Amino acid sequence: DIQMTQSPSSLSASVGDRVTITCRASQFISSYLNWYQQKPGKAPNLLIYGASGLQSGVPSRFSGSGSGTDFTLTISSLQPEDSATYYCQQSYSTPLTFGGGTKVEIK
Amino acid sequence: QVQLQESGPGLVKPSETLSLTCDVSGYSITSGYFWGWIRQPPGKGLEWIGSILHSGKTHYNPSLKSRLSISVDASKNQISLKLSSVTATDTALYYCARHPFRDIVGYMDVWGKGTTVFVSS
Repeated sequence: DIQMTQSPSSLSASVGDRVTITCRASQFISSYLNWYQQKPGKAPNLLIYGASGLQSGVPSRFSGSGSGTDFTLTISSLQPEDSATYYCQQSYSTPLTFGGGTKVEIK
Repeated sequence: QVQLQESGPGLVKPSETLSLTCDVSGYSITSGYFWGWIRQPPGKGLEWIGSILHSGKTHYNPSLKSRLSISVDASKNQISLKLSSVTATDTALYYCARHPFRDIVGYMDVWGKGTTVFVSS
């Protein structure tokens, strides 16, 4: 199985800050990396697919980059509604696997 | 607009079989795409369980494969999950989701709200 490691596991930032979350795969996954946002009591919501594709309806302050084994999710200007847990997921091979999550809190 | 709605018993006894259904509305399952199940234990992360194509082709997580069955009922526009010999570690929020692909399981772009399953005697 491909292991996905996210860092940090949690962070606290102020409104307007630039926030970066990293995800590392245990082996090459090309650009088959996706990002989800999950708010408490809600289902995950797809933000980024294929490492850098912005899902329809997702604000442009969210962006993704990377390929191979190292990936990044960036929130360019943190907003109060971005308080959530973020997960990366690889779709290079089955079993599909997720990172452990990064909890983003607003200071 | 595609919507998914999971349903199930809520409480299952250890060693019994967990059965869940996911009703799909706004899209015909027979038109294509893979449909998957994902679970989330309380306070923990996400685990992919398995996915199925309308034709019945399945991909299962090897960690669950020996206990798992996922099926499609095209007449009801519904997918189902059966997980046998459950233990407390199967307690989780179970989601169904759509993979917008006809040939691979990839990302999941539409999710249901989830249904909680407790395994307890």
